[in-house]
Amino acid sequence: GEDVEQSLFLSVREGDSSVINCTYTDSSSTYLYWYKQEPGAGLQLLTYIFSNMDMKQDQRLTVLLNKKDKHLSLRIADTQTGDSAIYFCAHDTGRRALTFGSGTRLQVQP
Amino acid sequence: GAGVSQSPSNKVTEKGKDVELRCDPISGHTALYWYRQSLGQGLEFLIYFQGNSAPDKSGLPSDRFSAERTGGSVSTLTIQRTQQEDSAVYLCASSRPGREETQYFGPGTRLLVL
Repeated sequence: GEDVEQSLFLSVREGDSSVINCTYTDSSSTYLYWYKQEPGAGLQLLTYIFSNMDMKQDQRLTVLLNKKDKHLSLRIADTQTGDSAIYFCAHDTGRRALTFGSGTRLQVQP
Repeated sequence: GAGVSQSPSNKVTEKGKDVELRCDPISGHTALYWYRQSLGQGLEFLIYFQGNSAPDKSGLPSDRFSAERTGGSVSTLTIQRTQQEDSAVYLCASSRPGREETQYFGPGTRLLVL
């Protein structure tokens, strides 16, 4: 099965909160990441969390990590149309390369 | 430069031809990574360079793929005898010493093999 799993699609209304979920199987990761990819663009690092933390907040973004369940989530408060993009969950491996999920497409409706 | 740059941004080639993709990492970044993103998929690790150490090539899908990094800076990914299944976006990333957890990505090269 997939090492990192994400749901494919999420649709929210502008102003609502968005929650994008991710599950992973490798418990040896040091860092877990959220990347954003807008159409035709490269990946933008949004935020990351160290594996011994359970929450990190950065302005409108809140990352929650449940190591026991191997579950990572990204909450975007007051979602805007500019937040429409594909969001990738990733974690590092022993060799420093990242393993990515297949991405969640967030659609924000006005 | 301000960020990771890649060239060309788009490449269309015929099956069987060789292609070279270039990556210029952020100045001072010692680690460089190549990933491949196929349509509708996440990113797949290809190869990792760290300073002068031997590269980690464990992600290369076949011996048609190779990469070099000259002078610890610019890297070239070469695909020989391209196949249609090589069509993808090839992304390069770099990170600085002591902060390898933060990888900065370039815009990618979109490769289409006809």
